[in-house]
Order: sequence, then structure tokens, then C-alpha cells
Amino acid sequence: SYELTQSPPVSVALGQTATITCGGVNIGDKNVHWYQQRPGQAPVVVMYRDYKRPSGIPERFSGSNSGNTATLTISAAQVGDEADYYCQVWDRTTVFFGGGTKLTVL
Amino acid sequence: QVHLVESGGDVVQPGRSLTLSCAASGFDVTDYAMHWVRQAPGKGLEWVALIWSDGTRKYYPDSVKGRFTISRDTSKNAVYLHMNSLRVDDTAIYYCAKDETGAYNFLDDWGKGTLVSVS
Repeated sequence: SYELTQSPPVSVALGQTATITCGGVNIGDKNVHWYQQRPGQAPVVVMYRDYKRPSGIPERFSGSNSGNTATLTISAAQVGDEADYYCQVWDRTTVFFGGGTKLTVL
Repeated sequence: QVHLVESGGDVVQPGRSLTLSCAASGFDVTDYAMHWVRQAPGKGLEWVALIWSDGTRKYYPDSVKGRFTISRDTSKNAVYLHMNSLRVDDTAIYYCAKDETGAYNFLDDWGKGTLVSVS
């Protein structure tokens, strides 16, 4: 089993920068993917393979991954960014999700 | 355009069985790995099944191994989740999701989910 530990709920002022982390043993050796889930909706990938943005995702979203921590950074946070964010990795033949981090934009 | 539509969710008693369906359009399920992911009320995401693009391999987490089976019907371009010996803690929204490729990547398209309630 592989455990992913995400940061606690994050609150950020409108226009400020939000940082969400995902910890795992040597996670830097894995590809980390991030999903955004707004209330009542299905998840949507916002970052894949550590730092790649799918088409349609604003440049305000960025990612990094090194050592035991992967990070999703949302610059100039907007009200529309309020959501739960989940990291995801593969370990052997199993998919693991982090527990999720709720982002609130004040 | 990729479209995934889940169906089959229901209220069932503990110990009973249920099969969920995922109708895919806009792509062929033979070209991509397919997953089922669930989310219990107020909880996070939990992966529950994977079938490789060539259909030869299927994987499950320990929480459902031996009780859940993923399958597909290529003639209908559909994927299924057969759930046996259901437990109260299987209650969740079940999402069907497409892998970016044959397997081992991210889930790039998701359905809206279907609700399974075990009580």
C-alpha cells in the first residue's frame, strides 16, 4: 500500500496564492496527477505528470514534485477555484488518491 | 467528444449484488484503460477497479478484491462493475473514468456518477 497525505483545508484571499501539498515516500519518483472536484460535480484533472496542464486549465495552476512532496500551486486564486483537490499516483498496479484538500477563496 | 454515462445505481440490502454500467462514446474502450472510482458521502475518492485497454488485465484494491469484478462489452462500447456481497460501507457515488492511455496514467474523462446505497 502507498499512502498519500494531503495538506489540511486551505483558505486564501481572492487574488492570492494557494498551495496544496501531497506527501508520500519518494513521491518524487512517481508521476503525480491532480484533480479538482467542485461540489456536486465529477473530478476534473487540472495537472498531470507533476507539472503539465491540460488544455483549458489556466496558467495560474502550476505543479511540482520532488523528494517526498508534490505541490499544486494556484496563483491569483478566484472564487471559481473553490473546490476539493486530490492528488493521485500509481504504485505498481494500484491507483492511490490523497485524502483531498478543500480550498476556500475568501 | 468523450462521453461517459453511468447507470444501475440503486438501493440494495447488505449481502446482495448489483451491476453498474458505463456507456462510452467518442472513443473505443479497446483503446484505453477504464476505471471505476467511488466516493462515499462526504468522503474522498477511492479507486475500485481497472481494466486494461486490451482487456487482459484487471486490478482491484484489497477493499473490493474478490467481491467486485470489472468487465466490458466491446460490441456495446461499455464497461461494467459487478458488485457482490455488498456492504454498508460500499455506499457511494460510483464514477466511470477513462485512462489517458492503455494504463498507468491519469484519468482524463469522468462520468457524472451513479449512486449506490447499501442499507
